[in-house]
Amino acid sequence: TQLLEQSPQFLSIQEGENLTVYCNSSSVFSSLQWYRQEPGEGPVLLVTVVTGGEVKKLKRLTFQFGDARKDSSLHITAAQPGDTGLYLCAGAKAGYSTLTFGKGTMLLVSP
Amino acid sequence: SAVISQKPSRDICQRGTSLTIQCQVDSQVTMMFWYRQQPGQSLTLIATANQGSEATYESGFVIDKFPISRPNLTFSTLTVSNMSPEDSSIYLCSVAREPDTQYFGPGTRLTVL
Repeated sequence: TQLLEQSPQFLSIQEGENLTVYCNSSSVFSSLQWYRQEPGEGPVLLVTVVTGGEVKKLKRLTFQFGDARKDSSLHITAAQPGDTGLYLCAGAKAGYSTLTFGKGTMLLVSP
Repeated sequence: SAVISQKPSRDICQRGTSLTIQCQVDSQVTMMFWYRQQPGQSLTLIATANQGSEATYESGFVIDKFPISRPNLTFSTLTVSNMSPEDSSIYLCSVAREPDTQYFGPGTRLTVL
């Protein structure tokens, strides 16, 4: 059973477009992380959200944690080719040290 | 954050052999983890590497196939034993400094022929 559902699985857009990636679960998480992974590299942490309803911004990226802490979204404004990569959400549950990863969203931004 | 290195960065191995992957962190950490990422897939946790005790394996992974060492708080190894082509994957180590947040190494890309 996949505890974290990510959508879409693949997204191909033109430079300058906006996009949103979703991460949904029926489970409650104490926190949720977003990572970006480029080919040949390990995932790089973008943000951690811990409070229900929390919104964090990282330049053109906006992350939101759902009020019930079961879902999260990543919105990219005016996407650039450098945003290309695999975006992964991962959830942590209270009392557990391990993370549960979603299947990832592969984003391709063309010039 | 943390500076994490892995060796080797990639390898091509023959069926039936074993490969040991090293993970080195720039400072002491309590929690270290090993993941597998199959082609085009997300990350699957193999085990938590515990310092001073046996690793904690996730369902579907066993010590005989993936023995792990954790001799100190900055280093761990993962061995992929008796390899088959199905073991071709990227193997990643990660560490947790803050609660609920992990930092990853660059990965080891393994191809088994």
